Amino acid sequence: DTGVSQNPRHKITKRGQNVTFRCDPISEHNRLYWYRQTLGQGPEFLTYFQNEAQLEKSRLLSDRFSAERPKGSFSTLEIQRTEQGDSAMYLCASTPYRNTEAFFGQGTRLTVV
Amino acid sequence: DQQVKQNSPSLSVQEGRISILNCDYTNSMFDYFLWYKKYPAEGPTFLISISSIKDKNEDGRFTVFLNKSAKHLSLHIVPSQPGDSAVYFCAAAGSGGGADGLTFGKGTHLIIQP
Repeated sequence: DTGVSQNPRHKITKRGQNVTFRCDPISEHNRLYWYRQTLGQGPEFLTYFQNEAQLEKSRLLSDRFSAERPKGSFSTLEIQRTEQGDSAMYLCASTPYRNTEAFFGQGTRLTVV
Repeated sequence: DQQVKQNSPSLSVQEGRISILNCDYTNSMFDYFLWYKKYPAEGPTFLISISSIKDKNEDGRFTVFLNKSAKHLSLHIVPSQPGDSAVYFCAAAGSGGGADGLTFGKGTHLIIQP
């Protein structure tokens, strides 16, 4: 296992289309996080899973966003009816315990045109 | 309202000298702090962390100092090398069991000049 893997690396979509991103965390990590990063900003927390349970969602996560982590392994983040403001880098991170370093994937760069 | 602030968007340092990156926070519930390094088109890479029960943590060329009374932390890199050129993010974790994730600053772009 070489780390957190995210697919695709880049996605260009037309406004109004749905997109889905995938994250494969480090296998023994039970905590998984999604973040969003826009230009000139640090990553912003979106949602958190402990195993398969989604325990926290940021107010940044509008109704058009949904995340799942079936069986506590990989996770998906879906954005429905994309808007230009959704253009950002979407980052996934995993960690085995609270207050240890989170390992980040390389991110998915979304561009909505 | 930014709970973690990195007030210097960029910093230029000569190779071999010390780089000092600063970070301030406002939320007294934060009890764990981390520094991440980020190259363009890559995810953040963990550098070093510190618990609120300590005031210093050292790892090779990297040292993090925490001043809880001032709600301030700093990252020292000695000596600075060309490969250190990157964006550095300060991040903080609260005592909420990890459910709230990390709160990041906006980053400081460190440029190491030869």
